[in-house]
Amino acid sequence: AQKVTQAQTEISVVEKEDVTLDCVYETRDTTYYLFWYKQPPSGELVFLIRRNSFDEQNEISGRYSWNFQKSTSSFNFTITASQVVDSAVYFCALSEGYDSWGKLQFGAGTQVVVTP
Amino acid sequence: GAVVSQHPSRVICKSGTSVKIECRSLDFQATTMFWYRQFPKQSLMLMATSNEGSKATYEQGVEKDKFLINHASLTLSTLTVTSAHPEDSSFYICSAARGGHTGELFFGEGSRLTVL
Repeated sequence: AQKVTQAQTEISVVEKEDVTLDCVYETRDTTYYLFWYKQPPSGELVFLIRRNSFDEQNEISGRYSWNFQKSTSSFNFTITASQVVDSAVYFCALSEGYDSWGKLQFGAGTQVVVTP
Repeated sequence: GAVVSQHPSRVICKSGTSVKIECRSLDFQATTMFWYRQFPKQSLMLMATSNEGSKATYEQGVEKDKFLINHASLTLSTLTVTSAHPEDSSFYICSAARGGHTGELFFGEGSRLTVL
């Protein structure tokens, strides 16, 4: 069963618009880690954020912000004032349990297209 | 700069030949590395966990005789695609954790394999 669901396949926005990417996860472990990665056309994965299950604090980093809600098992990602360089595929990922550190289960990804 | 490096970044081979992909941790030792596979416009799927000095652990559905993994040193894991066929054409990405358990995860740049 899919452990990480990214329901949005593709989102198209015009530059300067905000875009929110949804991520819903499923786990029975109390200790787990959530990640967001960006994958530009070059293919390389760019790390954006990591959050452990005990830290529900939301985070802001420049134009990026994340909303972690354990009650709804969601870890959503917002890009504020989008730019053309934000065009990429964004993956949400889950690492379950202490012993499975490093084994990431990726969502299907969301393609973000930002047009000028 | 990159802390996990893959080589080659691109490889084209004929059907039936074997191809080796290297994954190196450049400035840290990694007892465990991970290999992922990504088909075009799809997500990343974990193939196997590479363990230094012992056998790799393969995910369900991954043919261990097809995808040979060798982790002979603390900085190098290799993935050999044996008797490659066009359906093995994919993007292969490795990762490693620096600092051991729950350490920072780094991904390689990826290796794009095309089998003719």
